[in-house]
Amino acid sequence: EPEVTQTPSHQVTQMGQEVILRCVPISNHLYFYWYRQILGQKVEFLVSFYNNEISEKSEIFDDQFSVERPDGSNFTLKIRSTKLEDSAMYFCASSSMNTEAFFGQGTRLTVV
Amino acid sequence: GIQVEQSPPDLILQEGANSTLRCNFSDSVNNLQWFHQNPWGQLINLFYIPSGTKQNGRLSATTVATERYSLLYISSSQTTDSGVYFCAVNSLRDDKIIFGKGTRLHILP
Repeated sequence: EPEVTQTPSHQVTQMGQEVILRCVPISNHLYFYWYRQILGQKVEFLVSFYNNEISEKSEIFDDQFSVERPDGSNFTLKIRSTKLEDSAMYFCASSSMNTEAFFGQGTRLTVV
Repeated sequence: GIQVEQSPPDLILQEGANSTLRCNFSDSVNNLQWFHQNPWGQLINLFYIPSGTKQNGRLSATTVATERYSLLYISSSQTTDSGVYFCAVNSLRDDKIIFGKGTRLHILP
């Protein structure tokens, strides 16, 4: 069964460092998403990406964040200068038009 | 934007009991999904159910789109059913999936 894969599964980084979280969406999907979940809280929307551009973003997705689809298979989330409050589980998801979304297993980011 | 409300927020049951989890949403939706978040944090797809009824083993779900709610039924609960259950929707107006706050289910042996 096709699946969304994320790497790494866990990343520890120092405050102020840049991190890149990587995702390989399901190959024939057209819509790509990033979400985050602070420990014990709800899953929050960050950004959606379609046709090689951002289609929607939340207030959380400020200038510190960027997304890229550098080739036909990867979808990345970059946090330019991490803060302690960026510590969370980050989920990537993908879907086709009007179908269910599939989520990756998540990357747990710890900023120290 | 669309609001998604789940109830109850917490539910504690004995093994073998049945449960009903509810999801209300404030606007018309394209898609609705139910997820189970396991102890390792993974979001497991349970149902894609923008309307109608589906069943998968001990789990079933019903969405009444015209009345803007969905129900997830778990029968004969097992301890492995414990975890957080999320409802998530795509509204017609947005290109994003919005999650409810979840129902935390504890199944006691």
